[in-house]
Amino acid sequence: DGGITQSPKYLFRKEGQNVTLSCEQNLNHDAMYWYRQDPGQGLRLIYYSQIVNDFQKGDIAEGYSVSREKKESFPLTVTSAQKNPTAFYLCASSSIGTAYGYTFGSGTRLTVV
Amino acid sequence: GQQLNQSPQSMFIQEGEDVSMNCTSSSIFNTWLWYKQEPGEGPVLLIALYKAGELTSNGRLTAQFGITRKDSFLNISASIPSDVGIYFCAGNTPLVFGKGTRLSVIA
Repeated sequence: DGGITQSPKYLFRKEGQNVTLSCEQNLNHDAMYWYRQDPGQGLRLIYYSQIVNDFQKGDIAEGYSVSREKKESFPLTVTSAQKNPTAFYLCASSSIGTAYGYTFGSGTRLTVV
Repeated sequence: GQQLNQSPQSMFIQEGEDVSMNCTSSSIFNTWLWYKQEPGEGPVLLIALYKAGELTSNGRLTAQFGITRKDSFLNISASIPSDVGIYFCAGNTPLVFGKGTRLSVIA
């Protein structure tokens, strides 16, 4: 079955450490996205990529980094520069253009202690 | 960035009641999408709207793309316990999301 997989589901890290969240899709989608979700805040766009080796900042990119070396993979690194990293992180993919909607993964809940 | 105002923030309803929620934007949107999210999961697409004035149904769900292209509503008829979740409106490219409407259904 085609889908989008995020791992791990739960992640705990100490303050000051970088951490990388995995996102893999086998839907043959060109575009991939990372959103952050906080209670009562909806989904906010961190980064997105429409083609391999290219990506754009979203509304809250500070303290995060991404790479897109393969069409299927779009890992997100939460760096120590991110002041409030504890959140639920959602990865999505789509064909180009919102007419197709986005398919979301099941999310990674990151807790920094 | 663009902002979507979604209301109400939360709703508590009796099983069998109809539900209505809406979303407004300060700017024109070319698409409106409605998603549902269950606890600990990613959002799932319910309905997609592509033209101003468009009215689309998916089972007990009905959504409309406002004529001004700055608003949309979602109705759920005869609610059931499995309708519980957070409903999000979204639109444009890349998708901008509202803050969600949390729906609770009392059996």
